[in-house]
This record gives sequence, structure tokens and C-alpha cells, in this order.
Amino acid sequence: SQQGEEDPQALSIQEGENATMNCSYKTSINNLQWYRQNSGRGLVHLILIRSNEREKHSGRLRVTLDTSKKSSSLLITASRAADTASYFCATALDRGSTLGRLYFGRGTQLTVWP
Amino acid sequence: DTEVTQTPKHLVMGMTNKKSLKCEQHMGHRAMYWYKQKAKKPPELMFVYSYEKLSINESVPSRFSPECPNSSLLNLHLHALQPEDSALYLCASRNPGDTGELFFGEGSRLTVL
Repeated sequence: SQQGEEDPQALSIQEGENATMNCSYKTSINNLQWYRQNSGRGLVHLILIRSNEREKHSGRLRVTLDTSKKSSSLLITASRAADTASYFCATALDRGSTLGRLYFGRGTQLTVWP
Repeated sequence: DTEVTQTPKHLVMGMTNKKSLKCEQHMGHRAMYWYKQKAKKPPELMFVYSYEKLSINESVPSRFSPECPNSSLLNLHLHALQPEDSALYLCASRNPGDTGELFFGEGSRLTVL
């Protein structure tokens, strides 16, 4: 299965601290994406990193990708209570396909305490 | 307008009922997806429609019947469901051939009694 493994499964930190989540996958990818999901809500796209990129930033988010290790990390700096959510990595394997299937990791539940 | 709208937000049904979940998007996307998500699990792909044609069925039981009446609408018809089918059902869309962002709706929370 291409499904990613994420660790940790759960992360609990104080406001202002940084949160780091990791994702590993098994086969070659076109890109890797991170999504956030508040409890019982839909998924919201956070950031996409292509297979030829190593690092990407968006606001307080920093994503790295190491294709040799087949792993990615998501860093949230200066976390806030509002960052409390589940975070999923998702890999896209198909290039130019009409299917564009995404494979989701198991997710990390982040809790940020005020 | 970048929304994917799902209705109803909550649905409770008995095992003998027939109900439908509805999804609508007005972003001009021509690929639409149904995902099923159980608590504390990742979304699982059920169906993909591309240009209004069913292109992926992930071996979903026939008690789930998808329909794509036009490029903006996606339905999921439900019949004779089991309690284990209780889950959050998520709709998503993007353009075929695109491997980028999937746009998700807020989901329909289904409870089967």
C-alpha cells in the first residue's frame, strides 16, 4: 500500500511551541500534500510540495521532502490553540492521469493547549 | 466561489430506509470524488467521476449507488445500509489530470440505526 505512515499519532504542546509531524511513504510520488481537518469537518488543503522540491514555506508552515528517504515533515511554528486539528499527509502518484488519486496517511492529532 | 457544498450535514436513517447525500460545486471542476471517513481514520476513496463518467469504484458495496447528473452535482444514494456504514462522507472535486489540491466539502455525518 502507498498509504503513508505518520508519526506521531498524537502530539500535545503548549501555545507558542513548534509542532513537527512526519510522514513516510512507499513508492515514487508526483507530489505530497498536507491537509488539516478540524473535528468532524472537511479537509482543508495546507500546502503542496512537488517531488523536485526540498522545502516549501507558507506562513507559519514549513514542509520538507526527502525523496531518497521517502519522507516529509510538516513544521508549524509558534502554534496557537486554533491549530488544534488532525493533520494528514497525502501522496499523488499519477502524473497526467485523469484519476489523480491521493493516498492519505493515518494522520497526526495535534492538540495545542492555551 | 471555491466551495463544495454537501447536504445534509447530518443524516440518521434506519437499515430499511432509502436516502441520498448531495454534493455541489461551482468551480468548473470535472472530477468529483466520494470519500468515507470513520472516526480517527484517514479518508477512504469510494468513487471518482471524471467528466460525469464513473472512473473509479473502490469495490464499494452496491448499497451505495453514486450518480453524477451533471458537471456540478454528485449524489450518493443509500439503501439498506448497515450500522457499520455510519461515518462522515466527504465529497471533493478538482480537474481531471490535475494532481494538485483536492477541494473538500464539510461532509455529511451519517448514522445508521
